[in-house]
Parts: sequence; structure tokens; C-alpha cells
Amino acid sequence: ELKVEQNPLFLSMQEGKNYTIYCNYSTTSDRLYWYRQDPGKSLESLFVLLSNGAVKQEGRLMASLDTKARLSTLHITAAVHDLSATYFCAVDFDRGSGTYKYIFGTGTRLKVLA
Amino acid sequence: DTAVSQTPKYLVTQMGNDKSIKCEQNLGHDTMYWYKQDSKKFLKIMFSYNNKELIINETVPNRFSPKSPDKAHLNLHINSLELGDSAVYFCASSRITGAEAFFGQGTRLTVV
Repeated sequence: ELKVEQNPLFLSMQEGKNYTIYCNYSTTSDRLYWYRQDPGKSLESLFVLLSNGAVKQEGRLMASLDTKARLSTLHITAAVHDLSATYFCAVDFDRGSGTYKYIFGTGTRLKVLA
Repeated sequence: DTAVSQTPKYLVTQMGNDKSIKCEQNLGHDTMYWYKQDSKKFLKIMFSYNNKELIINETVPNRFSPKSPDKAHLNLHINSLELGDSAVYFCASSRITGAEAFFGQGTRLTVV
């Protein structure tokens, strides 16, 4: 069964602190995406990771992919209130015949406290 | 210029009614999707079309019928609405199957 799990599901952290969100998936894939969703809003693409060892950084967020461990991490450095949102990872699974199935993780609701 | 647009944004309707949600993308993408997001924020794929051809059809009641008149449009028709259909429905598109997806603003469906 294709599964994508994130932890933690909820994260409350103080401004200025560091933390990591984990995304584990069940079947081989080398395509992983991170999205951000603000309350009542759509999903915004943050990072595209397309190979083992890929690392991308944007501001206080850094994402990495280890395809052998089937694990991606989203690291938050010196959190600020504006980062409060729900973060999703999504994994593309090869179904064969050139088609992929895009499965989302459970989401991590992040709240950064002043 | 909105890349992926859905209408309507909000939809409140009674049980048993039939309703449609429309989606259009102007990104020139080949693949389009419908996702359902429930009250716990879980996102589940419902359908995926590639070049107007259905390629993913998840375990969705057959009251839900997608239609893709052309590559830029993917509409969702729902018959005999039930309370459990209340959710936010997102349309998305990607350049090809397996690429980064871009999402519409969502349609919040409330069945009363």
C-alpha cells in the first residue's frame, strides 16, 4: 500500500527555535514535494526534490531527500510567527506505463509562538 | 492572471442535490487532478487526467464523475449529494504526470 506519513502532526514552537518535520514513505520514489497551506487557503509549492541527496533551501526552511531511507526532512531554523501554517509532503509513485500517483502526507500543523 | 482557477469558491447545497465544480488552468499543463481535503486536513486524490484521458480513479463513489472537455479543463459533477461529501475540493495541474502540481484556490462544499 502506498503510504506517506509525517511527524509530528502538530507542532507548537517558540520563535527563534529550530525544529525538523519528517516525511516517511512506503515505496521507492525519487520525487518528493513540500507544500505550505495557510488556513482557508490553497497549497503553495515550497520545494521540489528529484534525486537522492537533494537539498533545497529557501529562507529559514531547508528540505532534503534520502531515497534509500525513504525519508525527507523539512528543517526550520530560527522560527518566526510567519511560518505558522500546515506543511505537507507529497510523493510521486511510479505506477508504470509512464504514469505517477501523487500521494500527500498527513500534514504537520505548525504554530510558532511569539 | 490566475494559473489554476476553480468555481465556485463556496457551495452550500441540500442533500440529494446535484452540483458541479469547474476547473480551468492556463499553464499549458497536460495533467489535471481533483483532490478532496477533509475536516482533518487530509488530502486524498480522487481523479487524475492526462491529456483528457482518465489515468487515476481512486475508490470514489460513482456519484462523482469527472469530465475533461479539453486539456485545460477538468470539471467535477456530483450527484445525489450526501452530508459526508462536505469538504474542500482542490483542482490541480502539472506539466506532465509526475511533476510539481499547482493548485486552485479550492471549493468549500457544505451539504446540509
